[in-house]
Amino acid sequence: AQSVSQHNHHVILSEAASLELGCNYSYGGTVNLFWYVQYPGQHLQLLLKYFSGDPLVKGIKGFEAEFIKSKFSFNLRKPSVQWSDTAEYFCAVNPNDYKLSFGAGTTVTVRA
Amino acid sequence: KAGVTQTPRYLIKTRGQQVTLSCSPISGHRSVSWYQQTPGQGLQFLFEYFSETQRNKGNFPGRFSGRQFSNSRSEMNVSTLELGDSALYLCASSIDGSTDTQYFGPGTRLTVL
Repeated sequence: AQSVSQHNHHVILSEAASLELGCNYSYGGTVNLFWYVQYPGQHLQLLLKYFSGDPLVKGIKGFEAEFIKSKFSFNLRKPSVQWSDTAEYFCAVNPNDYKLSFGAGTTVTVRA
Repeated sequence: KAGVTQTPRYLIKTRGQQVTLSCSPISGHRSVSWYQQTPGQGLQFLFEYFSETQRNKGNFPGRFSGRQFSNSRSEMNVSTLELGDSALYLCASSIDGSTDTQYFGPGTRLTVL
């Protein structure tokens, strides 16, 4: 079955630590890839997206993600996290069928 | 530009009742998608509408239905509510729904007692 997998359910870091969240998908063909973030008490917001071109994409708030087609992966990274990065992060895939499929989400807790 | 709005924000219903949720997309957006978010199942796609036509549907029972109006506003309806329908229902809009970014509303929190 087609799916989106996020490897970590809950990640706890200290401020200034580096963050990497894994995302793998099982769709064949062309896909559009997204990372969304949900801060406490707020609604889902787009962090970054990949449609085509440079596989390293930069998003808001210092986040970036790398698309590796051969590994069906789209991992999210941030070199140095802040307390305000505490949130739930969702990887999502749109295989051009008008349907966005989400991973289970990763809760990131940043300790001051 | 105003964002996606959803009404009502909170609802409490009892088993067996039905409920209608409303979503107003961002101006100029013609695609509206609905999702159910629960702690156990995460974000699950319900359906997507474009120009009043449903283009894709998730794996939900027929009790879940939706429609879109000519002004792109959308409603979803859940009939014969079950306890398991308690969830946050999210609406998202995009320009055409195929490859562009979806913008999410704040959601409607439905509690079924």
